[in-house]
Amino acid sequence: AQSVTQLGSHVSVSEGALVLLRCNYSSSVPPYLFWYVQYPNQGLQLLLKYTTGATLVKGINGFEAEFKKSETSFHLTKPSAHMSDAAEYFCAVRLTGGGNKLTFGTGTQLKVEL
Amino acid sequence: AAGVIQSPRHLIKEKRETATLKCYPIPRHDTVYWYQQGPGQDPQFLISFYEKMQSDKGSIPDRFSAQQFSDYHSELNMSSLELGDSALYFCASSSRSSGTYNEQFFGPGTRLTVL
Repeated sequence: AQSVTQLGSHVSVSEGALVLLRCNYSSSVPPYLFWYVQYPNQGLQLLLKYTTGATLVKGINGFEAEFKKSETSFHLTKPSAHMSDAAEYFCAVRLTGGGNKLTFGTGTQLKVEL
Repeated sequence: AAGVIQSPRHLIKEKRETATLKCYPIPRHDTVYWYQQGPGQDPQFLISFYEKMQSDKGSIPDRFSAQQFSDYHSELNMSSLELGDSALYFCASSSRSSGTYNEQFFGPGTRLTVL
């Protein structure tokens, strides 16, 4: 069975500071990995994804994530937080070779303070 | 660019009533997925369809059914509604033929409240 663990249900950073949101997966086969962002009362927007190839993935809004197979991690980072980054972030996995359904982590609420 | 359309955006029902949620995928997308997000929870996969056939099934209650029509839109039918069905229901779509199969595009969701 595959699962996704997001460490920290709430993360608070100062504007301009580094953003680090953690995601670990458990799967015997490297899955496809995704980060989604959800603003209040809105749908899920894809930030970035890893399927194959380069392990450092760049997404929208200055976010990037690195797939580390040895650590079974896919942490999301952004060098400098902006107030508009305040939202909930979900890490998700799709097991390769199986169905295309996504399994989501429990989410991390990012708060950006002045 | 056209996005996934869901209707209605908000729905209020009484216990034991029925509800129908509709999803219109992005044009030329052939696969539709339904997810349920309870208050303060992560989205949970319910069911998916490819070319009008059920392709995968998750934690969908027996009281719920869904189908995909010839124009690729999908409907989620929910009967004997319970208070616990109150949630945000997302539809997502993807396309096997265009190479974007691994990327699911989500709609804005339908917020169902059961009183």
